Amino acid sequence: DAEITQSPRHKITETGRQVTLACHQTWNHNNMFWYRQDLGHGLRLIHYSYGVQDTNKGEVSDGYSVSRSNTEDLPLTLESAASSQTSVYFCASRSSTGNTIYFGEGSWLTVV
Amino acid sequence: QKEVEQDPGPLSVPEGAIVSLNCTYSNSAFQYFMWYRQYSRKGPELLMYTYSSGNKEDGRFTAQVDKSSKYISLFIRDSQPSDSATYLCAMSAAGNQFYFGTGTSLTVIP
Repeated sequence: DAEITQSPRHKITETGRQVTLACHQTWNHNNMFWYRQDLGHGLRLIHYSYGVQDTNKGEVSDGYSVSRSNTEDLPLTLESAASSQTSVYFCASRSSTGNTIYFGEGSWLTVV
Repeated sequence: QKEVEQDPGPLSVPEGAIVSLNCTYSNSAFQYFMWYRQYSRKGPELLMYTYSSGNKEDGRFTAQVDKSSKYISLFIRDSQPSDSATYLCAMSAAGNQFYFGTGTSLTVIP
């Protein structure tokens, strides 16, 4: 079955370190998204991509970056991790013609 | 004002009860409506998808959209302990950007 996988599932890192969260989907979806989920805020969009070489900022993009070199992958990089970036991160994807998005299982990140 | 408002609960019901979960929204351009179920420490899982107004039924689940009132509902009949989860509503205008409620936590007590 096609799926969307995230790695690592859990990570603890130190303030100031660079961290990359991987997202890989096998649906051949053009649209991919990164969200963070925090209590009281729900899901907030960090970055999104509508295709290879396309990236766009979401509502909470400061301190994060993404790159899209192929259809399957959208890695999320925290340039210099901060304690405020402790959260659970979800990758999602959507086909160009579909109207729903599908989520990965999440990456739990703790910045100490 | 948030685009989508959802009562966070928590909601606790006995097994077999009918559960009603609701969201309101402000953007009249929304036409795609979704409900996601999220178990603890898992990703959101698409439960129901509805286009425009009306009802959609899938087993014990019914999704209802009232565009005139900007109000959507998810009904769960004969609720089971396995339905205990957080339920997120989501909506979209053109299918590109999605707007989520903050989720309602549901516990079904055996």
